[in-house]
Amino acid sequence: GAVVSQHPSWVICKSGTSVKIECRSLDFQATTMFWYRQFPKQSLMLMATSNEGSKATYEQGVEKDKFLINHASLTLSTLTVTSAHPEDSSFYICSAPSGTSSEQYFGPGTRLTVT
Amino acid sequence: DAKTTQPTSMDCAEGRAANLPCNHSTISGNEYVYWYRQIHSQGPQYIIHGLKNNETNEMASLIITEDRKSSTLILPHATLRDTAVYYCIVRAGRGYQKVTFGIGTKLQVIP
Repeated sequence: GAVVSQHPSWVICKSGTSVKIECRSLDFQATTMFWYRQFPKQSLMLMATSNEGSKATYEQGVEKDKFLINHASLTLSTLTVTSAHPEDSSFYICSAPSGTSSEQYFGPGTRLTVT
Repeated sequence: DAKTTQPTSMDCAEGRAANLPCNHSTISGNEYVYWYRQIHSQGPQYIIHGLKNNETNEMASLIITEDRKSSTLILPHATLRDTAVYYCIVRAGRGYQKVTFGIGTKLQVIP
C-alpha cells in the first residue's frame, strides 16, 4: 500500500515556542491531507483538512492561528503549532487519500510534549 | 457519516478467531463500511472495507448483514500482534473525504 511518513516522530519543546510537523506522501501525490490529534486514551479527532494550493479547512473549535497548516506541494503538508502550551501535548497524526483507491493512508504519528 | 456502535473492549485467546461486531443502523445506500486498527502509539492502519458483499483479504474478513445495518470483522487466527483498537467507520467510498473516528473496540489477545 501507499506510504505516508511524518517527521519528527517525537519532539519536546518549551512552552511558548513553535513546532513544525511534516507529513509526506512517499509514493503518491495527495492534493488533500488530513491532520488529527489524539489525547491519551481517546480517539482521533480531526483538526483540519489541508488542501494543496489553497487554504486549509479547520474543524469547529480548532484555532487556525495557532495550528498553521501549509500544503506546500503534492507530497508535503506541514502543521506548525505556534506558541505551544502544555495542553497542546498530544499525538498528531496525518493521513492522505491515494488517488488510485478509496483508502486513506495514515502516517505513524508525532508525539509532541510541551514542557 | 453514519454513526457506528462498537463494544468498548473484547478479549480473544491467541490462535482463535476474533469476531468484532459493529452496528450501523443508519447507514445509507452509498456508504461503505471501513475497518481500521490502531496499535498503541502508532498511526491507524487500514484493514478492509465493503459495501454489500462479504469481503476477505490477507488480514481479515468482513461480514455485512443483508440489511447492512451491522457487520463483523473477523481475524481468523488472532496473534498477540493483533492487540489494538479497532475502529468501524461508515462513510461514502471516496478516499478524499475525511474519516471520523469513534471510540472503537480495544481488542486484547491473550496468550
